[in-house]
Amino acid sequence: DAGVIQSPRHEVTEMGQEVTLRCKPISGHNSLFWYRQTMMRGLELLIYFNNNVPIDDSGMPEDRFSAKMPNASFSTLKIQPSEPRDSAVYFCASRRQGAANEKLFFGSGTQLSVL
Amino acid sequence: GIQVEQSPPDLILQEGANSTLRCNFSDSVNNLQWFHQNPWGQLINLFYIPSGTKQNGRLSATTVATERYSLLYISSSQTTDSGVYFCAVVRGNTPLVFGKGTRLSVIA
Repeated sequence: DAGVIQSPRHEVTEMGQEVTLRCKPISGHNSLFWYRQTMMRGLELLIYFNNNVPIDDSGMPEDRFSAKMPNASFSTLKIQPSEPRDSAVYFCASRRQGAANEKLFFGSGTQLSVL
Repeated sequence: GIQVEQSPPDLILQEGANSTLRCNFSDSVNNLQWFHQNPWGQLINLFYIPSGTKQNGRLSATTVATERYSLLYISSSQTTDSGVYFCAVVRGNTPLVFGKGTRLSVIA
């Protein structure tokens, strides 16, 4: 299995620009999570989906952030407009909800720098 | 919500030494996992261990669910063990809640 695949690995953009991060979960996993990691706040859960349906988006910091999961194999996290304080590493993770061994697997992350 | 506390926050070891990392949680959980974030930022799942003891090579973990703690043991540490170790728990059907991690530096 290829694991959770995220793209791009690095993104450098200017303040005000739209940023789209992409994630392909592990095949057969039905729960998908978006996390953000910074030195100050550690790992924060932004939003998660079960069976492509958003369950809890209370971690999304502002209306500038939005996430979609149009099908079981693809999700996007969009920031529009981006701001310098959005600079962080964004991780996508997936797991098989309801399985006896519900291990969570992370992608390699997207390092976002907003100038 | 559930609180997860990890200790120590930082640890420096000489190569070959053993160490114990601790994770305390504030309520009963049905899922506990240990992760290692290597110096390149990758998060690797080490153990799924809601209770009992598991071993994987030089690493082992024990969770005492009734006393709300878990321990991660690293024996004969190597420089490649450096990074941040996270404990994460689930209560009910909620997502994993992460602790702040233990930053381990193993020096040759």
